[in-house]
Amino acid sequence: AQSVTQLDSQVPVFEEAPVELRCNYSSSVSVYLFWYVQYPNQGLQLLLKYLSGSTLVESINGFEAEFNKSQTSFHLRKPSVHISDTAEYFCAVSFTGGGNKLTFGTGTQLKVEL
Amino acid sequence: DTGVSQDPRHKITKRGQNVTFRCDPISEHNRLYWYRQTLGQGPEFLTYFQNEAQLEKSRLLSDRFSAERPKGSFSTLEIQRTEQGDSAMYLCASRSTLANEQFFGPGTRLTVL
Repeated sequence: AQSVTQLDSQVPVFEEAPVELRCNYSSSVSVYLFWYVQYPNQGLQLLLKYLSGSTLVESINGFEAEFNKSQTSFHLRKPSVHISDTAEYFCAVSFTGGGNKLTFGTGTQLKVEL
Repeated sequence: DTGVSQDPRHKITKRGQNVTFRCDPISEHNRLYWYRQTLGQGPEFLTYFQNEAQLEKSRLLSDRFSAERPKGSFSTLEIQRTEQGDSAMYLCASRSTLANEQFFGPGTRLTVL
């Protein structure tokens, strides 16, 4: 079985500062990795994904995440955050043999302050 | 492509009542997933369909829960004899077998009084 750990439940940061949201996973098989973002009272939106290939993946709005197999991590980073980035961020894993169902972490609330 | 839709968006019911939620996936997505999200937690997998076949159910899905996808398009999730512990956001997602990402609907928030 897989599991996902997001150690930081809340991360406050000032606007234009860099941020890192941590994600570690546990799995006995190869996994696919995802970051989803959830704004208040909305569903989840895919932010970025790692399936294979380059271990550094980027989103269109400046976020990036790096797959580190040896550390079983998939941390999310942004060099300069904006107020509009305030949201809940969920890390998730899936694997082909499990119907690609997602196993999520408990989420990290990113609060960007002026 | 209008995205995944769910109805209703909010449902308030009394303990012991039955409720039914509907999910309309992105057209031609043959896989459909249901998740439950409680306050302060990440979504938890409940069940999934490939076309009309229900291929897996989580142990979280007690016998009071039933899901269907009769024609391989929309899906319904029914909860019988609701309990206060069923209060949660119920999320639906769909995907094509040609891609690995799931697209989520806005969710149905259930409150059991």
